[in-house]
Amino acid sequence: DTAVSQTPKYLVTQMGNDKSIKCEQNLGHDTMYWYKQDSKKFLKIMFSYNNKELIINETVPNRFSPKSPDKAHLNLHINSLELGDSAVYFCASSNGISYEQYFGPGTRLTVT
Amino acid sequence: SQQGEEDPQALSIQEGENATMNCSYKTSINNLQWYRQNSGRGLVHLILIRSNEREKHSGRLRVTLDTSKKSSSLLITASRAADTASYFCATDEAGTALIFGKGTTLSVSS
Repeated sequence: DTAVSQTPKYLVTQMGNDKSIKCEQNLGHDTMYWYKQDSKKFLKIMFSYNNKELIINETVPNRFSPKSPDKAHLNLHINSLELGDSAVYFCASSNGISYEQYFGPGTRLTVT
Repeated sequence: SQQGEEDPQALSIQEGENATMNCSYKTSINNLQWYRQNSGRGLVHLILIRSNEREKHSGRLRVTLDTSKKSSSLLITASRAADTASYFCATDEAGTALIFGKGTTLSVSS
């Protein structure tokens, strides 16, 4: 019954590796997001997809590549991981930009 | 993206007391939202107030919005230990995404 789910919940990996985080929502929303929350709890939008199309691509390194196979899924692939990528990544969904967002539980990424 | 500002950054109160946190933003908005984040969890939507509304209530929550001052406040009445969390305001001022504030960390002790 989980509205927005993410896998994995924890991800520990070494610098230089490539990893993916998956997100799924069963709310029927048309817009999905990826956020990065740093150690100071600063929450920053990374990407937004509406009906499988990218509508927001904030200034993030091109090592980060989102992919939306369908409206219910938005995955995040990260190449050549760096120490500074360590953070908690949240997926969220909504029925449009200005409406309430539903967040997943987060994926804590630790790069060593 | 311009980040909103919450004030205070941290707040410690006793159970039963009221907690007030404030949020300021930079430009015009359609709405302002408040979210709660418990430690180690995702954000949970609390309340949305539209730009043409001045006050809104939801249970023990009361939100005000002053568009002339570009500010909002969240009041939690009769706080409980379970209210311990971080609280974020978010606006759609960017037009393309929600802009979240830096958050207020609330600690309620019993």
